[in-house]
Amino acid sequence: NAGVTQTPKFQVLKTGQSMTLQCAQDMNHEYMSWYRQDPGMGLRLIHYSVGAGITDQGEVPNGYNVSRSTTEDFPLRLLSAAPSQTSVYFCASSYRQAWETQYFGPGTRLLVL
Amino acid sequence: DAKTTQPPSMDCAEGRAANLPCNHSTISGNEYVYWYRQIHSQGPQYIIHGLKNNETNEMASLIITEDRKSSTLILPHATLRDTAVYYCIVRVPTIIYNTDKLIFGTGTRLQVFP
Repeated sequence: NAGVTQTPKFQVLKTGQSMTLQCAQDMNHEYMSWYRQDPGMGLRLIHYSVGAGITDQGEVPNGYNVSRSTTEDFPLRLLSAAPSQTSVYFCASSYRQAWETQYFGPGTRLLVL
Repeated sequence: DAKTTQPPSMDCAEGRAANLPCNHSTISGNEYVYWYRQIHSQGPQYIIHGLKNNETNEMASLIITEDRKSSTLILPHATLRDTAVYYCIVRVPTIIYNTDKLIFGTGTRLQVFP
């Protein structure tokens, strides 16, 4: 199993551009989530999904959209990038619930100029 | 908001036990305590979790006080590779979709020195 994969590893955007961060898992996990981590800070939950077609907001959802059309994929869309969205983004998955062991991807470093 | 309180940093000598405290005074009766760690810039890694009994696995031990208002993660023989940020987390119940969230705080930065 590849586990949780994220692409790209690093991205530079200009203010106002849009992009999609990809996340995929091959463990047949139902629960997937996106976190952001700012320098020197802990992780903050952006959005999560408990299965295909079901998503909900986390702590800091503004400026981000998600969808879950398949069990494997959970893309995160930045609609109009802002410098405040410069961060490291982690995707995670667990079998069914958030409180089961979560497996994290390697992260995507995003710089918005 | 994170429902746990941890010291921002701790040091530990290599080979010694590292004891990382966590306060969770508002924990509810059915809420578990989870520990994750994050080495450098990698994604967090699950360590252990517990409800009210002490727990042990190949990585660590978790000691939860009888009133459940605090807990301690113990790394019995710390190595340099254990240098990381350690997060103590309590599940936050949600209403929609009958699932809970894990809310990470800022954690404890553990530095293991030779």
